[in-house]
Amino acid sequence: AQKITQTQPGMFVQEKEAVTLDCTYDTSDQSYGLFWYKQPSSGEMIFLIYQGSYDEQNATEGRYSLNFQKARKSANLVISASQLGDSAMYFCAMREGVADSWGKLQFGAGTQVVVTP
Amino acid sequence: EPEVTQTPSHQVTQMGQEVILRCVPISNHLYFYWYRQILGQKVEFLVSFYNNEISEKSEIFDDQFSVERPDGSNFTLKIRSTKLEDSAMYFCASSATGQGIYGYTFGSGTRLTVV
Repeated sequence: AQKITQTQPGMFVQEKEAVTLDCTYDTSDQSYGLFWYKQPSSGEMIFLIYQGSYDEQNATEGRYSLNFQKARKSANLVISASQLGDSAMYFCAMREGVADSWGKLQFGAGTQVVVTP
Repeated sequence: EPEVTQTPSHQVTQMGQEVILRCVPISNHLYFYWYRQILGQKVEFLVSFYNNEISEKSEIFDDQFSVERPDGSNFTLKIRSTKLEDSAMYFCASSATGQGIYGYTFGSGTRLTVV
């Protein structure tokens, strides 16, 4: 079974608009972490935001916020005021457990975002 | 900002040859990882390394693969006898903690092409 599901293969968004990227996850662990990464066409993986399973507040980092709905097992990324430089592939990832998984990240298939002028 | 450095950025090798991919993790990080991404596919975990030993490895990480931290700064991935299906982008990553609560920092990747 897929641990991380990203149902949107691609999205177009206009500059200055907000966009929400969907991510649902599957785990039976009580302690886990959720991550979003950006991969531009140049290929590097850029860390955007982290949400811990016990964090009561949604994580925010500048224009990025994570809409964490634990009961629904969803961790959607919201990018506000999109910029042309936001065009990239976006990956949702999960780290299950605490110490015994030693930080293995499991990634979703990604969502390709294209920001248009 | 500290970064993870990977060399080379591109490598072309013949099938059956050995390759070594090199990484310099962030200096105060303790946990190191290799991931790979076959073109157009998702990023897959290969191996994690802590305290000079493998912590976890995936099914992909078979006997053809090995990792080493030969000194205090480098972290290498060796593929002993490359196959066509090893062609992929290989990412090294490091984190300060095993839980990655400060994020896992990825390098820019090495694109390996096996011909």
